[in-house]
Amino acid sequence: AQSVTQLDSQVPVFEEAPVELRCNYSSSVSVYLFWYVQYPNQGLQLLLKYLSGSTLVKGINGFEAEFNKSQTSFHLRKPSVHISDTAEYFCAVSYGSGNTGKLIFGQGTTLQVKP
Amino acid sequence: SAVISQKPSRDICQRGTSLTIQCQVDSQVTMMFWYRQQPGQSLTLIATANQGSEATYESGFVIDKFPISRPNLTFSTLTVSNMSPEDSSIYLCSSDGGGALALNEQFFGPGTRLTVL
Repeated sequence: AQSVTQLDSQVPVFEEAPVELRCNYSSSVSVYLFWYVQYPNQGLQLLLKYLSGSTLVKGINGFEAEFNKSQTSFHLRKPSVHISDTAEYFCAVSYGSGNTGKLIFGQGTTLQVKP
Repeated sequence: SAVISQKPSRDICQRGTSLTIQCQVDSQVTMMFWYRQQPGQSLTLIATANQGSEATYESGFVIDKFPISRPNLTFSTLTVSNMSPEDSSIYLCSSDGGGALALNEQFFGPGTRLTVL
């Protein structure tokens, strides 16, 4: 079955430190990969996406992610976090060459940025 | 891109009643989706709604419990029927981005926070 695994449920980090949120997906010939952020009591906002092309994808708010096909991973990184980055982060995958648009979400990672 | 609004933003309902959630997109889109986010958990797809056809439900979700309408290219509703406390969740609507790359990205509404007593 197709699945997405976020390896860390919570990631505490100090302000201005670097952070990596990990995401692995079950292998498939064709995938589209996404990272969304959800601030408290809000909907989801797209951080970045990988559809094709360069495996290093840059998104909003200084985030970037790298698509690694051999390791079936799409880890999210930021070199220096701010207090305002405290939120829930979801990795999501859309499978299949037909691309029905269906997204499968990981369990989410809570990023806690401490002063 | 697509900007999505949902109504109501939150509601508290009694067991056994039904609630209809509205989702409005600011542009014409091909596909709309409904998700459920139970407290402290990730998003689970309930169904996909295409205009002019019956919604496609995911395993574990049935039309009698979650009837969906999609009367045009900018609007959809989800009804949560015969509610029980287990239905307390955030319900999110999303859509594709419209246009040539319509299916390559989803945009989300702010969600409807439902509490069932």
